[in-house]
Amino acid sequence: SQQGEEDPQALSIQEGENATMNCSYKTSINNLQWYRQNSGRGLVHLILIRSNEREKHSGRLRVTLDTSKKSSSLLITASRAADTASYFCATVLYGNKLVFGAGTILRVKS
Amino acid sequence: DTAVSQTPKYLVTQMGNDKSIKCEQNLGHDTMYWYKQDSKKFLKIMFSYNNKELIINETVPNRFSPKSPDKAHLNLHINSLELGDSAVYFCASSQVAGVTYNEQFFGPGTRLTVL
Repeated sequence: SQQGEEDPQALSIQEGENATMNCSYKTSINNLQWYRQNSGRGLVHLILIRSNEREKHSGRLRVTLDTSKKSSSLLITASRAADTASYFCATVLYGNKLVFGAGTILRVKS
Repeated sequence: DTAVSQTPKYLVTQMGNDKSIKCEQNLGHDTMYWYKQDSKKFLKIMFSYNNKELIINETVPNRFSPKSPDKAHLNLHINSLELGDSAVYFCASSQVAGVTYNEQFFGPGTRLTVL
């Protein structure tokens, strides 16, 4: 079964706006990762946050992790049309096994 | 240069046939994976190999058999294909030994359609 849920399922914004996606999970984790998937393509790793970290930045991406609430959020600032994709959170349990959420479909309109 | 490659990209076949998907990574990673993405975009791990040894084997029908001839290759063979096997199959790799994090690199996917 999936580890958790992502919210919202779909998000449509204008170029330049910020996009926030949330992810909840069920069990204790080693780390949490966010991936992007463009239509018809493979997944691309965006950012990893360890269980002892609360916030991490990478370019226009900001990820937070709240282990007490078992949730994470991904913020994309100043969005661009090229950010249009599906975004997945994935938790890492044992054996380097990624357990994915259901994903958020982001559409950035130019 | 392609980091993780899969062949074929598309595979259309009849129910009951046997087919294989090949995966190769040139990143020097020690661990490779197979994931299945269904029509609702849910991604689920199927298998993981570390240095040619099976370490993760999820609840997958035994019609699916992974084979790792060396640590750069992980192939997936599927016997007696069923309609429900239609999905996109992704290969991935990562370096596990000697690192404290485990980003995975994904191939472009193989879209399998069973008629």
